[in-house]
Amino acid sequence: EPEVTQTPSHQVTQMGQEVILRCVPISNHLYFYWYRQILGQKVEFLVSFYNNEISEKSEIFDDQFSVERPDGSNFTLKIRSTKLEDSAMYFCASGQGAHGYTFGSGTRLTVV
Amino acid sequence: GNSVTQMEGPVTLSEEAFLTINCTYTATGYPSLFWYVQYPGEGLQLLLKATKADDKGSNKGFEATYRKETTSFHLEKGSVQVSDSAVYFCALSSSGGYNKLIFGAGTRLAVHP
Repeated sequence: EPEVTQTPSHQVTQMGQEVILRCVPISNHLYFYWYRQILGQKVEFLVSFYNNEISEKSEIFDDQFSVERPDGSNFTLKIRSTKLEDSAMYFCASGQGAHGYTFGSGTRLTVV
Repeated sequence: GNSVTQMEGPVTLSEEAFLTINCTYTATGYPSLFWYVQYPGEGLQLLLKATKADDKGSNKGFEATYRKETTSFHLEKGSVQVSDSAVYFCALSSSGGYNKLIFGAGTRLAVHP
């Protein structure tokens, strides 16, 4: 069964540093998403991406965040200057359109 | 705005007990409704879904019926197993936009032998 692959599984970074979280969506999917889950809290939508541009973003997705699909297979989330409160599990998801998503296993980001 | 409310956990049951996890939603239009499960240390897996009123989603013995009149999508299972121990998330996807998911807070289920 096709999978969404996320790397790394765990990333530790110092406050103020830039991090890039990587995702390889399912190859024939057209819609891409990032969500995050702060420990013990609900899963929150960050951004959706379609046709090589952001289609929707949440209030959380401020100027410190960016997404890119640099080579047609990877889908990355960059945080420019990490803060302690960015510590969370970040999930990538991909889908073919309405009503169907596959999530990756997540990247646990720890900002120290 | 759209939102999802789940019953608070943890829910602790003995094996073979009946499970209900309540979920209600607020949404404009005609959302699709989902249950996702997160096993310890893993990502989110789609458990079941329903895309219109009165639809029943089912998978692995779990069921949920889309009730528009009560804006609910309660998850049920007739006989739980220890392996069902996980966190369960109710979610909705709006009928417009690019179908982002809005999640409830999650309900932790612990099943004991």
